[in-house]
Amino acid sequence: AQSVTQLGSHVSVSEGALVLLRCNYSSSVPPYLFWYVQYPNQGLQLLLKYTSAATLVKGINGFEAEFKKSETSFHLTKPSAHMSDAAEYFCAVNQAGTALIFGKGTTLSVSS
Amino acid sequence: NAGVTQTPKFQVLKTGQSMTLQCAQDMNHEYMSWYRQDPGMGLRLIHYSVGAGITDQGEVPNGYNVSRSTTEDFPLRLLSAAPSQTSVYFCASSPDGGLNTEAFFGQGTRLTVV
Repeated sequence: AQSVTQLGSHVSVSEGALVLLRCNYSSSVPPYLFWYVQYPNQGLQLLLKYTSAATLVKGINGFEAEFKKSETSFHLTKPSAHMSDAAEYFCAVNQAGTALIFGKGTTLSVSS
Repeated sequence: NAGVTQTPKFQVLKTGQSMTLQCAQDMNHEYMSWYRQDPGMGLRLIHYSVGAGITDQGEVPNGYNVSRSTTEDFPLRLLSAAPSQTSVYFCASSPDGGLNTEAFFGQGTRLTVV
């Protein structure tokens, strides 16, 4: 079965600093990977998805992620953090024929 | 466009009580699923459905039942609630089972079992 592992349950950055949230996948076949964001007391919203068309994927709100097959990674980055980026972020893989399988999540805190 | 609608938003149950969490989508999506979210555990798949009349178990199905009589609705039933089922429940839908198809989520139901 496919799975994803998010390294670091909590990441803290200062406003304006680089955001790096880590996700590694375990798959014997090319995976289809997603990043979702959850703001407090809300549902999940799609940030971006990897579909094999390009290794660097740009999403909403200035986020992007790079698929690296050699490292089995799909890390999420943003050059400059904003206070409004504070949320929980989930990496997920699409298990064909069933549903998305999620990592345990990373809470991003942004301080001024 | 309502998307995925979950009701109720909040619920308190006593141990042993039963209840149904409702989920409806108006996007004519074939795939629907239920997740529970617990601190430090991420979202774990409870049950999913690939179309009307077809359901299957996910990672944590025990204590939950589902049915899919229509494309639009996918209710989750707790037959005898236990404190371990205290959680936030999310329903999701997607157009199909394609590998690059994202899921659309409801706003969640926060359930407390006392």
